[in-house]
Amino acid sequence: DGGITQSPKYLFRKEGQNVTLSCEQNLNHDAMYWYRQDPGQGLRLIYYSQIVNDFQKGDIAEGYSVSREKKESFPLTVTSAQKNPTAFYLCASKLAGGKSEQFFGPGTRLTVL
Amino acid sequence: RKEVEQDPGPFNVPEGATVAFNCTYSNSASQSFFWYRQDCRKEPKLLMSVYSSGNEDGRFTAQLNRASQYISLLIRDSKLSDSATYLCVVNNLLDTGRRALTFGSGTRLQVQP
Repeated sequence: DGGITQSPKYLFRKEGQNVTLSCEQNLNHDAMYWYRQDPGQGLRLIYYSQIVNDFQKGDIAEGYSVSREKKESFPLTVTSAQKNPTAFYLCASKLAGGKSEQFFGPGTRLTVL
Repeated sequence: RKEVEQDPGPFNVPEGATVAFNCTYSNSASQSFFWYRQDCRKEPKLLMSVYSSGNEDGRFTAQLNRASQYISLLIRDSKLSDSATYLCVVNNLLDTGRRALTFGSGTRLQVQP
């Protein structure tokens, strides 16, 4: 089946540790995105990538890093510099073009203890 | 001012009722508009795109008013399964010259038996 997978679904980490969230898609989509969602708030863009080996900062990139070495994969690292990392993290992908639908993965709920 | 604003609700309506949500956006250069649905603790999923001439999909009608910069979603004959959070989404031009989606914080709908 085609789709976007994120793993793990739930993740617990101690404060001060870096953690990497996985995002894989087999939809042959060019663009991939990482969002963060906090309770009662909309999605906020962390990083996005329109093409392999290229990515851009979104609205809240501080404390995060990404890579796009393969078209299918766009992992997100939450570093210890991120002051409030506990949140619901959503990965998305879409075909190039402004009006194409953006598909989301099931999300990873990160809790930093 | 938020780029995309929505009434957070909740809207509590009985089954069979008609309910309407509005959303305003601040960037007059926005080109594409969408309504996404998000169930509790799940990823958002595209409900419908919003076209300038207005569009209908079954019980759902979306309208765009560019002059006033607002988008609406009308749900007729509400079902219990319509209970969810509805996200207003706008495709904006970022400072990088690229486009990305901006999400409203959502309007929560609770349909009651």
